[in-house]
Amino acid sequence: KAGVTQTPRYLIKTRGQQVTLSCSPISGHRSVSWYQQTPGQGLQFLFEYFSETQRNKGNFPGRFSGRQFSNSRSEMNVSTLELGDSALYLCASREQGLGGYTFGSGTRLTVV
Amino acid sequence: SQELEQSPQSLIVQEGKNLTINCTSSKTLYGLYWYKQKYGEGLIFLMMLQKGGEEKSHEKITAKLDEKKQQSSLHITASQPSHAGIYLCGADDNNAGNMLTFGGGTRLMVKP
Repeated sequence: KAGVTQTPRYLIKTRGQQVTLSCSPISGHRSVSWYQQTPGQGLQFLFEYFSETQRNKGNFPGRFSGRQFSNSRSEMNVSTLELGDSALYLCASREQGLGGYTFGSGTRLTVV
Repeated sequence: SQELEQSPQSLIVQEGKNLTINCTSSKTLYGLYWYKQKYGEGLIFLMMLQKGGEEKSHEKITAKLDEKKQQSSLHITASQPSHAGIYLCGADDNNAGNMLTFGGGTRLMVKP
């Protein structure tokens, strides 16, 4: 079974730009959640999608948004990038209510 | 919201020594997960604990869940350089579905 795939692995953007990150979950997993990891704040929950619906949202500004497609693949978008958005963005997939969360390798976003 | 505190924050041990990492929750633990992370990479799932008193082992790593103390511990026996990395505990926020709250992490170095 293929794992969780995140693309791209690395990204450099300029302040004010927007960015879209992609996550393909494990086949059969309908829940996809996103996390931001920074040295100062650690791992923080962004949002979770299940069957194309956002079920939970963390404490992040509206510049952070996401969506999930019918095949469970998910994207997250950050608009009007700020330097502080530089982070490792991780997504995780899970079978509904079962087992552990499987994480992807992450996308390293650098905002300059 | 739930908070997880890990101790110690960092640890340097001699190869062959045993070590323990603790994770204490501010609320009742419904599901506790242990992950390992190499710097800048994704999280590798180690173990999931769901019941008070539960104990699981994989190779030289054992994790326990003490429900009354709202605490979990991760014990590594006869540490090896391959055990080096950041260990993270995460807990299900039972009120919010598929959403993990993470501890701050424990950085482990193993000296050969």
